[in-house]
Amino acid sequence: DSGVTQTPKHLITATGQRVTLRCSPRSGDLSVYWYQQSLDQGLQFLIQYYNGEERAKGNILERFSAQQFPDLHSELNLSSLELGDSALYFCASSVVRSAGGTDTQYFGPGTRLTVL
Amino acid sequence: AQSVTQLGSHVSVSEGALVLLRCNYSSSVPPYLFWYVQYPNQGLQLLLKYTSAATLVKGINGFEAEFKKSETSFHLTKPSAHMSDAAEYFCAVSDRKGGSQGNLIFGKGTKLSVKP
Repeated sequence: DSGVTQTPKHLITATGQRVTLRCSPRSGDLSVYWYQQSLDQGLQFLIQYYNGEERAKGNILERFSAQQFPDLHSELNLSSLELGDSALYFCASSVVRSAGGTDTQYFGPGTRLTVL
Repeated sequence: AQSVTQLGSHVSVSEGALVLLRCNYSSSVPPYLFWYVQYPNQGLQLLLKYTSAATLVKGINGFEAEFKKSETSFHLTKPSAHMSDAAEYFCAVSDRKGGSQGNLIFGKGTKLSVKP
């Protein structure tokens, strides 16, 4: 158990719908990362938040957005869903020390999204 | 920009045999390198990481990896495979900007099968 929790575990929805995935980081971790794992694209970084602020953006679609709340949990919002959005979505967290640090990212169990 | 290439999407070994999973990286800055393992229907678990200290890194479950700058490689090895090692293994490099650790850039993964 990494200490990172994600809900729900599974989500089945229809095209055009909107869903919200939730992540609670490990106690004490300030940074949250979202990754998408799909068969064709592999594991891809989507977005990072640090202490409530967006820090880095990867291959995140404009239909997707995220935020980190004052209690440090994070939500990933996916809208206008398409079949191709079906994937495993992972959240990871790390402490993120000062520049030059090598903090380990701890991954949650993931949310499996199926778009029908 | 950093990138990672994992040679071999599937590797099969017999129980008790040597495990060798290959990873080559490309990085314009001294890299931070990681190996993660993903068991079926689970999240990613860190096996080991290289952060510019010792070039031979020991991880959990008997795995180790050697950083070879001249070969831009970070291959994962285990002297004797166990049935419980069957999983998918991901090599990753940290997308470092300005010296601080960033998000992870993953290889495509290598599925390890262990035959009895």
